[in-house]
Amino acid sequence: AQKITQTQPGMFVQEKEAVTLDCTYDTSDPSYGLFWYKQPSSGEMIFLIYQGSYDQQNATEGRYSLNFQKARKSANLVISASQLGDSAMYFCAMREGHNTDKLIFGTGTRLQVFP
Amino acid sequence: DGGITQSPKYLFRKEGQNVTLSCEQNLNHDAMYWYRQDPGQGLRLIYYSQIVNDFQKGDIAEGYSVSREKKESFPLTVTSAQKNPTAFYLCASNWAAVGNQPQHFGDGTRLSIL
Repeated sequence: AQKITQTQPGMFVQEKEAVTLDCTYDTSDPSYGLFWYKQPSSGEMIFLIYQGSYDQQNATEGRYSLNFQKARKSANLVISASQLGDSAMYFCAMREGHNTDKLIFGTGTRLQVFP
Repeated sequence: DGGITQSPKYLFRKEGQNVTLSCEQNLNHDAMYWYRQDPGQGLRLIYYSQIVNDFQKGDIAEGYSVSREKKESFPLTVTSAQKNPTAFYLCASNWAAVGNQPQHFGDGTRLSIL
């Protein structure tokens, strides 16, 4: 069974607008962590934001915030004030349990920002 | 500057040939990882190592081998047994068993069959 699901293969957003990228996950372990990465066309993976399962507050990092809805098992990434440089692939990943560093990745969402 | 260096950036393999992808980190990280990425797909774990001289298979280890003789180095060999090696390979590292620490990635190696 797929553990991380990103249902949006592609998204478009106009510059300066906000956009939400969806991520749902499946786990029975009460301890887990959720990560978002950005992959530009050059290929490197850039860490954006982290949310732990026990974190009370939704994570924020600059223009990135995570809409964490534990009961729905969703961890959507919100990018505010989109910039042309935000055009890239975005991957959601989960670390399951507290004794492992292994990540499970979703299939990604390609975001295109237009002027 | 600290980081992860993967080389070469592009690699071509002939039929029946083994090739080795290099991954070096100077971040003093304990754990290192190898991922494979196919077009339009997410990353799949090939092998990982949490300590020198020890490593574990990931989800798609068949046709690959690794070694971890030094903390900073984790080379990946794509053997002739890997029948479909064309992909983008990413190496990553982080401090082992520190839950909120993200994995840091290298710039990747693109492997193609000649």
